[in-house]
Amino acid sequence: AQSVTQLDSHVSVSEGTPVLLRCNYSSSYSPSLFWYVQHPNKGLQLLLKYTSAATLVKGINGFEAEFKKSETSFHLTKPSAHMSDAAEYFCVVTDNYGQNFVFGPGTRLSVLP
Amino acid sequence: GAGVSQTPSNKVTEKGKYVELRCDPISGHTALYWYRQSLGQGPEFLIYFQGTGAADDSGLPNDRFFAVRPEGSVSTLKIQRTERGDSAVYLCASSPSGTEGNEQFFGPGTRLTVL
Repeated sequence: AQSVTQLDSHVSVSEGTPVLLRCNYSSSYSPSLFWYVQHPNKGLQLLLKYTSAATLVKGINGFEAEFKKSETSFHLTKPSAHMSDAAEYFCVVTDNYGQNFVFGPGTRLSVLP
Repeated sequence: GAGVSQTPSNKVTEKGKYVELRCDPISGHTALYWYRQSLGQGPEFLIYFQGTGAADDSGLPNDRFFAVRPEGSVSTLKIQRTERGDSAVYLCASSPSGTEGNEQFFGPGTRLTVL
């Protein structure tokens, strides 16, 4: 069965500094991977996705992630944090059938002024 | 265009009661998913529809939970004899098809509170 580990439940950065949110996955095959963001009282929004094309994936709002099969990782990065980036971030892997999403527990990002 | 909508946004009920949660997917999307998100956790898969049929209901926790999608668009999640442990945010998502790699578009969720 597929699973996702998000190593940090909470990350705090200062505005203008880099962001790194870590994600490791477990899968018996080459899955599709996603990052979603959830702002308070709002729905989940797709940031970016990896589907076996380029290993470096660029998403919205300056975020990007790199798929590393040897490390089974899909870490999310952004060069410079903005106050509006404060939210909950979920790493997601597809299941064996490719349809259902398996979510990680989430990482809460705080951005300090 | 219109996104995924869910009604009601909030539902408070008493233990033992029956509730229905509704999901309106994006028009034309054949795949529809239900998830449950407990406080401080990531969403957990409940059931997946492809058209009118439930292609995978392995995430439903027990037989008190049931979902339908009779015409292949709107779906209703039904919970019988609610328990306090059912309190959570129930999320609905849709995608153009069930093909791997397709983005799922999520609704805002229904917050269910069982007293």
